[in-house]
Amino acid sequence: EMQLLESGGGLIQPGGSLRLSCAASGFTFSNYAMSWVRQAPGKGLEWVSIIGGHTGGSTFYADSVKGRFTISRDNSKNTLHLQMDSLRAEDTAVYYCAKDLSPGRGMDVWGQGTTVTVSS
Amino acid sequence: EIVLTQSPATLSLSPGERATLSCRASQSVSSYLAWYQQKPGQAPRLLIYDASDRATGIPARFSGSGSGTDFTLTISSLEPEDFAVYYCQQRINWPLTFGGGTKVEIK
Repeated sequence: EMQLLESGGGLIQPGGSLRLSCAASGFTFSNYAMSWVRQAPGKGLEWVSIIGGHTGGSTFYADSVKGRFTISRDNSKNTLHLQMDSLRAEDTAVYYCAKDLSPGRGMDVWGQGTTVTVSS
Repeated sequence: EIVLTQSPATLSLSPGERATLSCRASQSVSSYLAWYQQKPGQAPRLLIYDASDRATGIPARFSGSGSGTDFTLTISSLEPEDFAVYYCQQRINWPLTFGGGTKVEIK
């Protein structure tokens, strides 16, 4: 069974940093692009970032996080990361990692989410 | 950035009725459109990709149509478990974007 398990969320002060992780199992992790998607309390889904499969050389970001967040992957450990710096109150959300079905298609496997709260 | 506008925001229907959800893109996304279902407290679930292909395990009562800028998700006969929020997402341009969602609620 394909599974994703996020970790690393928590309460952080504005301006602080946090690193999220997503452990993958049940599929060949290196073959697939992986994304982070977030959902602020009571709001809709917002795509955050994506990293290509294999070497992960291609990365893209939402304008709202560009220059502050960095996505990376460790294919030897089947793990996806999201380094979040200069956090703002508006970054408060549940963060999901998700696996691409294939390029240009949808995200077919999702984790349960990890909650990030940015507050003083 | 491609903006996706979903309508209506809320759809009030009874079990057994047909649901028709709309997603309109601010520019053409060809067929690079996906639909997701999300229930309270759960992660989203992929329903449809490439505008009209059902994902693995998705019942046949869910169907997608459209191309270019206008798309539709149809649920032919609502089951109790179908009451949820539905999102469309375009997959053709960066940044990837989601629509604002349509909530299908029990009338």
